[in-house]
Amino acid sequence: EDQVTQSPEALRLQEGESSSLNCSYTVSGLRGLFWYRQDPGKGPEFLFTLYSAGEEKEKERLKATLTKKESFLHITAPKPEDSATYLCAVQARNGGATNKLIFGTGTLLAVQP
Amino acid sequence: NAGVTQTPKFQVLKTGQSMTLQCAQDMNHEYMSWYRQDPGMGLRLIHYSVGAGITDQGEVPNGYNVSRSTTEDFPLRLLSAAPSQTSVYFCASREREKTHGYNSPLHFGNGTRLTVT
Repeated sequence: EDQVTQSPEALRLQEGESSSLNCSYTVSGLRGLFWYRQDPGKGPEFLFTLYSAGEEKEKERLKATLTKKESFLHITAPKPEDSATYLCAVQARNGGATNKLIFGTGTLLAVQP
Repeated sequence: NAGVTQTPKFQVLKTGQSMTLQCAQDMNHEYMSWYRQDPGMGLRLIHYSVGAGITDQGEVPNGYNVSRSTTEDFPLRLLSAAPSQTSVYFCASREREKTHGYNSPLHFGNGTRLTVT
């Protein structure tokens, strides 16, 4: 069964304390892995797409990496404004007209000043 | 561009009532979809559309109807609201599917928070 698991569920960091969020997946043929950021009361906002193992993408203090089993979202020297829920979604090849997108339950990140 | 616009932002219904959640996008995206987000669960696909006049069921379609008469609009109808439909509903759109099945990222609205009593 296709599955996406994010860990930890919640993470509290001090400003400047770097860390990583994990997204583990088991799917029948990976077509793409997406990272989103969601602020309270808002819709998810797109951050990155990764397509193949070994690929990396960076944006400001965020860096996403991908292996054949998992993806990491590395946060370097975070600031309070990085506080949000980070969602991972995997596009699986299901042979249908529209490839299936499976979301994880997210990691709630709180960065304290 | 406004992106994806959802109305209303909040709604309270009584069991058995019906209503329509509105969604509009101004990016000329062919693909539109509805998701629900519940605590402890990932976003789950309700219905989707790959173009005007074409709709299909997602993972949790029961109790919901959709139609797509224009590229811009994709309303979600609750036929007879039930407490199990209390959730946050997101509309999302993206460009048409690229070659070889690789999708563009979804653009989300800011959601409708629905409570059914």
